[in-house]
Amino acid sequence: KNEVEQSPQNLTAQEGEFITINCSYSVGISALHWLQQHPGGGIVSLFMLSSGKKKHGRLIATINIQEKHSSLHITASHPRDSAVYICAVPASGSARQLTFGSGTQLTVLP
Amino acid sequence: NAGVTQTPKFQVLKTGQSMTLQCAQDMNHEYMSWYRQDPGMGLRLIHYSVGAGITDQGEVPNGYNVSRSTTEDFPLRLLSAAPSQTSVYFCASSPRGFGPQHFGDGTRLSIL
Repeated sequence: KNEVEQSPQNLTAQEGEFITINCSYSVGISALHWLQQHPGGGIVSLFMLSSGKKKHGRLIATINIQEKHSSLHITASHPRDSAVYICAVPASGSARQLTFGSGTQLTVLP
Repeated sequence: NAGVTQTPKFQVLKTGQSMTLQCAQDMNHEYMSWYRQDPGMGLRLIHYSVGAGITDQGEVPNGYNVSRSTTEDFPLRLLSAAPSQTSVYFCASSPRGFGPQHFGDGTRLSIL
C-alpha cells in the first residue's frame, strides 16, 4: 500500500506569509492530487499533477517524482485560505484507488 | 450542473438499523466512489465503481453494500448500523479512475 505522509499536521500563519505544505509517498506514482477541505466540510480538487509545477492564482504545486515528494505553496496567504489541505496518490497496485494523507490544518490569522 | 449531490446531509441511526446514503452526479462520469472520513485519519475508500453494473471493494468495505444500475446514481447501503460506522461519508466522481475528483458535500452519520 502506498503510504502518504503530510507535514506539518497543523500550521498557523499571519496574513501575507508564504506557506509550504509537504507530501511524501512511498511508492512511485503517475500523478498526485492536492485537495482543499473547507471549514464547512466540502472538498474541492485543487491540482492533479504528474511532473514539474502547476500554478493557479496564489497556489503553486510542485512534484519531484524521483524523490517521491510534492509541495503545495500559497503566496500572500489570506484568512480565506484557512482550510485542511490533503494530498492523495494512487494506492499501490491500483491506479483506480486513491490513498489520502491525513491532511494539514492551515489557519491564517488576519 | 449540480455536480455531485449527496443526501441526506445529516442522519442519526440506532444500532442495527439499515439505511441508504444517496449519491447522484450529472457530469456523465464513469468513475464513482464512496469514502469515509474519521478524525485524525485520511479519507478511506469504501467501494467504487468504474461504470454502470461494475462495482468493487475499497479499503474498508465491511458492513456496506453498493450497486450501480445507472451512470448517474451510486447509493451506499448500511446493512446493520454499528457505532463504528459513525463517520462523515463522501461520494466522489471523476471522468476516469485517476482523474480530477468531484466531491459531494458529505453526509454526517451518527450511530447510537
